[in-house]
Amino acid sequence: DQQVKQNSPSLSVQEGRISILNCDYTNSMFDYFLWYKKYPAEGPTFLISISSIKDKNEDGRFTVFLNKSAKHLSLHIVPSQPGDSAVYFCAANSNSGYALNFGKGTSLLVTP
Amino acid sequence: EAGVVQSPRYKIIEKKQPVAFWCNPISGHNTLYWYLQNLGQGPELLIRYENEEAVDDSQLPKDRFSAERLKGVDSTLKIQPAELGDSAVYLCASSLGGGNIQYFGAGTRLSVL
Repeated sequence: DQQVKQNSPSLSVQEGRISILNCDYTNSMFDYFLWYKKYPAEGPTFLISISSIKDKNEDGRFTVFLNKSAKHLSLHIVPSQPGDSAVYFCAANSNSGYALNFGKGTSLLVTP
Repeated sequence: EAGVVQSPRYKIIEKKQPVAFWCNPISGHNTLYWYLQNLGQGPELLIRYENEEAVDDSQLPKDRFSAERLKGVDSTLKIQPAELGDSAVYLCASSLGGGNIQYFGAGTRLSVL
């Protein structure tokens, strides 16, 4: 049973515009959420994370928003750049150090 | 500082043959994970080690898969015998004791013919 869902398999955005990637989860015990970025033939690379005690975390062009009541989080990339084109995975866990539960990923294409 | 190192990067074998994957985690990271990633899916945990102890192997198909982490550093994942359905990417990750952020290696892409 998929506990982390990314319902958009792909997203195309123009360079300079905002990219919004969405993620939903079903397990209310999840208390830590992460976004990973993956280029072809490489492993996932940690991008940004957020604890359930916060509703927003920002790092440069990347911001993650968490809505606990809706069990929803989103990753905003502003402005989007062609180098951001990759697959983005949302992940969550309920205990530090435990296995991450991943979504299926969203493939982002940023066009010039 | 070196990241998580995995080898080989690619492996092609015939079904029923054995295969092994190796992982060297980030120095000082005592927690090591093996994940399986099928095409179009997110990674799924196979086994988690705390130092040399396997603390979560509930998703490891123990009839054909085995793993070890001698001395609590490097780890090896083995499949014997391999089946066609084992074709996937095998990812190793590590984290600093109790940390939430896991750092992944580049993975080993296995093709079983």
